[in-house]
Amino acid sequence: SYVLTQPPSVSVAPGQTARITCGGNNIGSKSVHWYQQKPGQAPVLVVYDDSDRPSGIPERFSGSNSGNTATLTISRVEAGDEADYYCQVWDSSSDHRGWVFGGGTKLTVL
Amino acid sequence: EVQLVESGGGLVQPGGSLRLSCAASGFTFSSYEMNWVRQAPGKGLEWVSYISSSGSTIYYADSVKGRFTISRDNAKNSLYLQMNSLRAEDTAVYYCARVGLVRGEGDYWGQGTLVTVSS
Repeated sequence: SYVLTQPPSVSVAPGQTARITCGGNNIGSKSVHWYQQKPGQAPVLVVYDDSDRPSGIPERFSGSNSGNTATLTISRVEAGDEADYYCQVWDSSSDHRGWVFGGGTKLTVL
Repeated sequence: EVQLVESGGGLVQPGGSLRLSCAASGFTFSSYEMNWVRQAPGKGLEWVSYISSSGSTIYYADSVKGRFTISRDNAKNSLYLQMNSLRAEDTAVYYCARVGLVRGEGDYWGQGTLVTVSS
């Protein structure tokens, strides 16, 4: 089945830019979605279809996807952005159909 | 306002059964595909099962295939997960998630219900 690889952790100072990567075989051919999850809360969709933002999500959150890597970029990072972030795709291979999640990346705001 | 409210979690012994429910409101439930996703304590998200809007297409993760059954009742705006032969490794918070209409994204999630499998 399809595998998504994320770095376990990313650290950034307030006001700087955080980039969280999601690696997968030819992931550029898939639609990638990103979720933010704060402790004790349900995941929240922050970017869908590689680079679109749901209503209510700040413009500071953006996404890109090409080749074997998708990236979630958070500009002007704030303390409130500290959370776990997960990438997700729909796997439609012959041996597995369903959502696939990356292992998650913990964003620490220094 | 879209709302998804899970219920039915609790403590169950290994080998036991549990039925989770997800009550949907604020949207036309029968028009949306749905998923169950779980998260073991301190771990990442794991997809469990998918069901199409009509209920005619269903998929399961290998880890639960043959033990879990997803279903829905569109007349009652409800999603279900029947869990049998439960194991310690099934201990997790279980979320129901709506599949968005764009490219299969999980656009709304419930708050989750905790299932603990322990003797």
